[in-house]
Amino acid sequence: QKEVEQDPGPLSVPEGAIVSLNCTYSNSAFQYFMWYRQYSRKGPELLMYTYSSGNKEDGRFTAQVDKSSKYISLFIRDSQPSDSATYLCASAYMDSNYQLIWGAGTKLIIKP
Amino acid sequence: DSGVTQTPKHLITATGQRVTLRCSPRSGDLSVYWYQQSLDQGLQFLIQYYNGEERAKGNILERFSAQQFPDLHSELNLSSLELGDSALYFCASSEEAGEGTDTQYFGPGTRLTVL
Repeated sequence: QKEVEQDPGPLSVPEGAIVSLNCTYSNSAFQYFMWYRQYSRKGPELLMYTYSSGNKEDGRFTAQVDKSSKYISLFIRDSQPSDSATYLCASAYMDSNYQLIWGAGTKLIIKP
Repeated sequence: DSGVTQTPKHLITATGQRVTLRCSPRSGDLSVYWYQQSLDQGLQFLIQYYNGEERAKGNILERFSAQQFPDLHSELNLSSLELGDSALYFCASSEEAGEGTDTQYFGPGTRLTVL
């Protein structure tokens, strides 16, 4: 079992819809949770990060962490065709070998 | 543009050969990370260097090695190449050693094709 699981999709939704992207993780020691966006043929770029449980909002994006169920979510409101990309979740915990554990990424397609 | 540069963009080589991928981190960043991304494996962490020293090791094969030079650029050496090594190789950099919210900035990647 991978430490961070993510449905690869693709997830196809119409423009303007609310998108929900999700990951589950198995290691209860994870404290940091990130969402990266990767456009085709480009490197990933950090969208949002959260520490521990709760919600974090940035414009049209909301990241949510539920540590009790080990569930990570990214919501995109008023989705745009430019949001079409692969979204990767990543988790980490603080120790001397801090490193990100990555999900496989979900391909999102926003149809005009 | 993340400020991380990688060369070459594309590399086509044959099985059994050796290649070197190069990465220049963002100005001021001390850590460099190497990742492999293939269709069936997702993004796999290979290795991290911090200020010239190896800091963390992931799923890096013994045929692969890396180093970080005094000017902080890094090279990833892949030897005895196999068909399965065909992938996108990303370099990322961050300001510090990678703890907490130290953001990783990714380069554009090197696409390696082994024939």
